[in-house]
Amino acid sequence: DAGITQSPRHKVTETGTPVTLRCHQTENHRYMYWYRQDPGHGLRLIHYSYGVKDTDKGEVSDGYSVSRSKTEDFLLTLESATSSQTSVYFCAISDRQGYEAFFGQGTRLTVV
Amino acid sequence: EDKVVQSPLSLVVHEGDTVTLNCSYEVTNFRSLLWYKQEKKAPTFLFMLTSSGIEKKSGRLSSILDKKELFSILNITATQTGDSAVYLCAVGATGNQFYFGTGTSLTVIP
Repeated sequence: DAGITQSPRHKVTETGTPVTLRCHQTENHRYMYWYRQDPGHGLRLIHYSYGVKDTDKGEVSDGYSVSRSKTEDFLLTLESATSSQTSVYFCAISDRQGYEAFFGQGTRLTVV
Repeated sequence: EDKVVQSPLSLVVHEGDTVTLNCSYEVTNFRSLLWYKQEKKAPTFLFMLTSSGIEKKSGRLSSILDKKELFSILNITATQTGDSAVYLCAVGATGNQFYFGTGTSLTVIP
């Protein structure tokens, strides 16, 4: 299995609070991604990174920000959590653009 | 609009049956087609296909890609209860994009 660790694995937070999810990899892969998975929608890209300090938006980026200060860490921040952001969040890594990607175990986030 | 469509949405079979899962796509700047298995947790990588007509095999699972007709199939022979999962198809493209289908839910009954 690819060395990807997401933390926390589960979190319950209140509406309006900031939340940060962490993705840590030990594979030295260049590309990192944050997805959310919701019933009926499948996996949707939030943000991705193509190198340290190089990030870009995906299709559902509103309300989310990211940072990548080191190759191994990719952080996803919800500045002010809303109930619509209740979801399962997956981090993925890839060492070649557009080729196989490997997923972390996911973070189940509930915003109440 | 780039999209990936999987069919059927769900499938119930008996152990020992053979199943075929379908994935069709319309994605510009295609690089690869990927199959994943998801069992209540993270998607786990099964296959990557980049060339037409070349079958990838892993045990009872196999997959093939048709780049002319823009589809792929995933076959599972002699199904077992452990094959019960959601199978995801994704297309990798340039521009750091992976386009995912919504998956096929497979249930294998003993």
